[in-house]
Amino acid sequence: DQQVKQNSPSLSVQEGRISILNCDYTNSMFDYFLWYKKYPAEGPTFLISISSIKDKNEDGRFTVFLNKSAKHLSLHIVPSQPGDSAVYFCAASANADGLTFGKGTHLIIQP
Amino acid sequence: DSGVTQTPKHLITATGQRVTLRCSPRSGDLSVYWYQQSLDQGLQFLIQYYNGEERAKGNILERFSAQQFPDLHSELNLSSLELGDSALYFCASSMDRAWDEQYFGPGTRLTVT
Repeated sequence: DQQVKQNSPSLSVQEGRISILNCDYTNSMFDYFLWYKKYPAEGPTFLISISSIKDKNEDGRFTVFLNKSAKHLSLHIVPSQPGDSAVYFCAASANADGLTFGKGTHLIIQP
Repeated sequence: DSGVTQTPKHLITATGQRVTLRCSPRSGDLSVYWYQQSLDQGLQFLIQYYNGEERAKGNILERFSAQQFPDLHSELNLSSLELGDSALYFCASSMDRAWDEQYFGPGTRLTVT
């Protein structure tokens, strides 16, 4: 049973526009959510996180939104840049007891 | 460069064998995490150590074990290897027990033939 789902394996966005990556979860015990970015042949890089007591967290061009009632979170990147092309993983934690990852979304920024 | 080092970079071994993957965290980081990335399962959290003690456990098989030594480096031991264990194994480190600010190493690619 996949507790964290990223239903879009890939997403293509034009440079300068907004990229919206989505993530759904099923476990209501998850209380902390994170986004990671991964380039080929490199380890993941932590991007941004959000606690379940918040519904929004912003860091520069990256904003994460959390809708607890819908068990949905999204990562907004604006404006999208060529260097944002990578695989993005959503992850969730319950009581800091491990992390469960989605399968990732490959974001492609087109010039 | 994240400051996390992993050795070896590549490892090819046969089924039934045992291997040890090594991770050196960033200077000052007390937590070490191990992850497995395989084609079909995606990225999976295996285990976390904090200052030598096991802190959290994920989908780690009984054939796998890990430890963190007094100098804070960590080893992941994989035994009775199966073809399905072929994957990229990442180590990450962070200063404390929080999930934020994890710095990942470049990974060890394990191929079991």
